Amino acid sequence: AQSVTQLGSHVSVSEGALVLLRCNYSSSVPPYLFWYVQYPNQGLQLLLKYTSAATLVKGINGFEAEFKKSETSFHLTKPSAHMSDAAEYFCVLTGTASKLTFGTGTRLQVTL
Amino acid sequence: GAVVSQHPSWVICKSGTSVKIECRSLDFQATTMFWYRQFPKQSLMLMATSNEGSKATYEQGVEKDKFLINHASLTLSTLTVTSAHPEDSSFYICSASIPGDLYNEQFFGPGTRLTVL
Repeated sequence: AQSVTQLGSHVSVSEGALVLLRCNYSSSVPPYLFWYVQYPNQGLQLLLKYTSAATLVKGINGFEAEFKKSETSFHLTKPSAHMSDAAEYFCVLTGTASKLTFGTGTRLQVTL
Repeated sequence: GAVVSQHPSWVICKSGTSVKIECRSLDFQATTMFWYRQFPKQSLMLMATSNEGSKATYEQGVEKDKFLINHASLTLSTLTVTSAHPEDSSFYICSASIPGDLYNEQFFGPGTRLTVL
């Protein structure tokens, strides 16, 4: 069975501060992992994906994530938060099946 | 990149009527499309997997007679909410994957907000 756990349903950071959104996974097969962002009343936009080519993955808008097999983690980071980063973030896992396993989501709030 | 569109982006209907939502892959052919439902401040819940030319596969607990899915072409899947009731009000999102993609990446539509009065 596959599962994704996102620690912290709500994260608040100051503008310019480091963003860290946590994601841990469980999978019986080598995982493919994604981070998606969702703005209000919109669909999901891909930020980045891990496909086993490199453990440190760089995505759009300055985000990156590091795959750590020993910790079964795929945390999302950004060095300096912008107001425009405020959104819902989903960590997503795929395995051998075509279905996606979603985390519960983390709402990022950016304050002045 | 691959683009998926949905129409309409929002719809308001009266209780008891049916509503059709379209999902299109604009620049690729999608043999498989997915329909999700999202409640406020919650994650996406997979409703069904739509396969071109065959019957959709519904997730446990999803009423297939209420949520009719048709995938008649490689670029279009439709979700019809029949005899809609206020509890069907939700945000519906479709996605599509590129055939043969090793990573099962899905491309999401912008979503459709359904409000049933």
